Amino acid sequence: ETGVTQTPRHLVMGMTNKKSLKCEQHLGHNAMYWYKQSAKKPLELMFVYSLEERVENNSVPSRFSPECPNSSHLFLHLHTLQPEDSALYLCASSQDLQGGGNTIYFGEGSWLTVV
Amino acid sequence: AQTVTQSQPEMSVQEAETVTLSCTYDTSESNYYLFWYKQPPSRQMILVIRQEAYKQQNATENRFSVNFQKAAKSFSLKISDSQLGDTAMYFCARGSNYKLTFGKGTLLTVNP
Repeated sequence: ETGVTQTPRHLVMGMTNKKSLKCEQHLGHNAMYWYKQSAKKPLELMFVYSLEERVENNSVPSRFSPECPNSSHLFLHLHTLQPEDSALYLCASSQDLQGGGNTIYFGEGSWLTVV
Repeated sequence: AQTVTQSQPEMSVQEAETVTLSCTYDTSESNYYLFWYKQPPSRQMILVIRQEAYKQQNATENRFSVNFQKAAKSFSLKISDSQLGDTAMYFCARGSNYKLTFGKGTLLTVNP
């Protein structure tokens, strides 16, 4: 079983839809992350949670709404998205936030297409 | 903004040969970490190698090694005895606090 699992792997949604991405980590980590990966651009950090508390909201539009009900699960709720939001959304986790040396483990990603 | 630059968008190498991927970064911090991540076609990002900036010794993991030049803010990845399974996007990243700043990536293709 992979350490970080994301569902769905592929999602196509209209601009008026509401959908959610789900992430689960089986590594016993305390920190979880959402990253956005677009073509030709570096990965962009969107949100960071530590022990279910949000510690970073990196100027992300409100049409993206994260939720962390416990340290093993992370959701990204999506509503009224724009076509430019189409991207690969990566969930990740690390043992904790201390320092910059913690290895971050990534899921396989959810490929989102907004039509 | 503190950036990470990978100047080679694409590279190719013959199987069994050695290839070096370049990375430079910008930082004002004295303590930080550097990483190389690999993203194969399956899309899962996997850690390849990790370097602590306060350590002078270059990190090595089997066929993967780095050349860390702190003064030059350079962190290149050398892959020896390249294998077909090394075909992937390679991302250089700098870590401080809990944040990773990534480069745009280098697409490496290993040819048979």
